[in-house]
Amino acid sequence: EVQLVESGGGLVQPGGSLRLSCEPSGFTFSNYWMSWVRQAPGKGLEWVATIKSDGSDKYYVDSVKGRFPISRDNAKNSLYLQMNSLRAEDTAVYYCARGALRHGWHFDLWGRGTLVIVSS
Amino acid sequence: DIVMTQSPDSLAVSLGERATINCKSSQSVLYSSNNENYLGWYQQKPGQPPKLLINWASTRESGVPDRFSGSGSGTDFTLTISSLQAEDVAVYYCQQYLSTPLTFGGGTKVEIQ
Repeated sequence: EVQLVESGGGLVQPGGSLRLSCEPSGFTFSNYWMSWVRQAPGKGLEWVATIKSDGSDKYYVDSVKGRFPISRDNAKNSLYLQMNSLRAEDTAVYYCARGALRHGWHFDLWGRGTLVIVSS
Repeated sequence: DIVMTQSPDSLAVSLGERATINCKSSQSVLYSSNNENYLGWYQQKPGQPPKLLINWASTRESGVPDRFSGSGSGTDFTLTISSLQAEDVAVYYCQQYLSTPLTFGGGTKVEIQ
């Protein structure tokens, strides 16, 4: 089955860190750009970060630049989001999303998400 | 940044009737080199992740019912559900992917009247 499964979310204090993981299955992970998109409770979608298929280039929304490095390990079939210096406004469901093959900036497969709560 | 504005915020439509959702971008998302609009539409049902319905403004993804159609160019786009079904109750989002930061519209909630 073609799917993405996120893990690593949870409750963390402001200023803390968390590492999200995404495990793909059913497709050749190394062929695709991958992204993280988040959704605050009851709110809309916000793109967070994207990494090219070979990990050579990474892109971020300004609000997480320098705090949330995105990475991948194609040998281990895994995508990561290291979340540092967390703030209350980072509270959201974080989705792992696959970029469409022709053009990686829109997303043709999404995971079910992992919830991150930043609170003291 | 390209700001995406959707309207209405919500709409209630009778079963079998047409639903129309609008999306306006603050800058054109038409790429002149290939004449493609870098605009997608997603459906998010309650408790589920988003699902890509339409890309390049009007190309339906495989498996998406043909009652869903996308139209528009430049800065103004429309998602039409020609005959609303109960399973179409969801929030719909547009997304531009012409430039980073990638941005989404605020969403339009579609309900049954």
